[in-house]
Amino acid sequence: SQQGEEDPQALSIQEGENATMNCSYKTSINNLQWYRQNSGRGLVHLILIRSNEREKHSGRLRVTLDTSKKSSSLLITASRAADTASYFCATGDAGGTSYGKLTFGQGTILTVHP
Amino acid sequence: DAGITQSPRHKVTETGTPVTLRCHQTENHRYMYWYRQDPGHGLRLIHYSYGVKDTDKGEVSDGYSVSRSKTEDFLLTLESATSSQTSVYFCASRGGEKLFFGSGTQLSVL
Repeated sequence: SQQGEEDPQALSIQEGENATMNCSYKTSINNLQWYRQNSGRGLVHLILIRSNEREKHSGRLRVTLDTSKKSSSLLITASRAADTASYFCATGDAGGTSYGKLTFGQGTILTVHP
Repeated sequence: DAGITQSPRHKVTETGTPVTLRCHQTENHRYMYWYRQDPGHGLRLIHYSYGVKDTDKGEVSDGYSVSRSKTEDFLLTLESATSSQTSVYFCASRGGEKLFFGSGTQLSVL
């Protein structure tokens, strides 16, 4: 079963515009993470937000988390052509012994046109 | 991708043959994972390891087995490959709370 559902599935914007991707999940979480995947490569960690945090920033990235709605959003400001990639949210389950397992969403394909 | 290498990067095999994918990490991470990535499904966990000789099943473990004889190596075996196992396979290890991924193995089962 898929924990994270991402929206939109694909996003096409012009360089300089902001890109917003959304993620919804189903169960209680310990943290939510965002990863980036360039074509033909492995995933790279971008940012982590804990369940007791509401917003976090890292450079041009802004992540919000609403645990009451079980949703998160990733905002990339002033996008660049180099931001073209797939973006995945991943959740770590709360409680118990999860062994650090993450459950990934299906991803959003972002295309930034020069 | 630093610190985690997967081999081979590409493999084509025939239905019914055994296949072993290798993952090697130099980070001394305790936890390691095998995921598969398919269009429309994102990444799904196959098996994971929480220490040497300690492994457990993930979401899509049928048809797969794993072994971890050393901290740095985590092997994924398809005992008898099927066409439904055509996929891109990613190995990851856990550092802190985040995962570090290898570059993936593209496996085609004909």
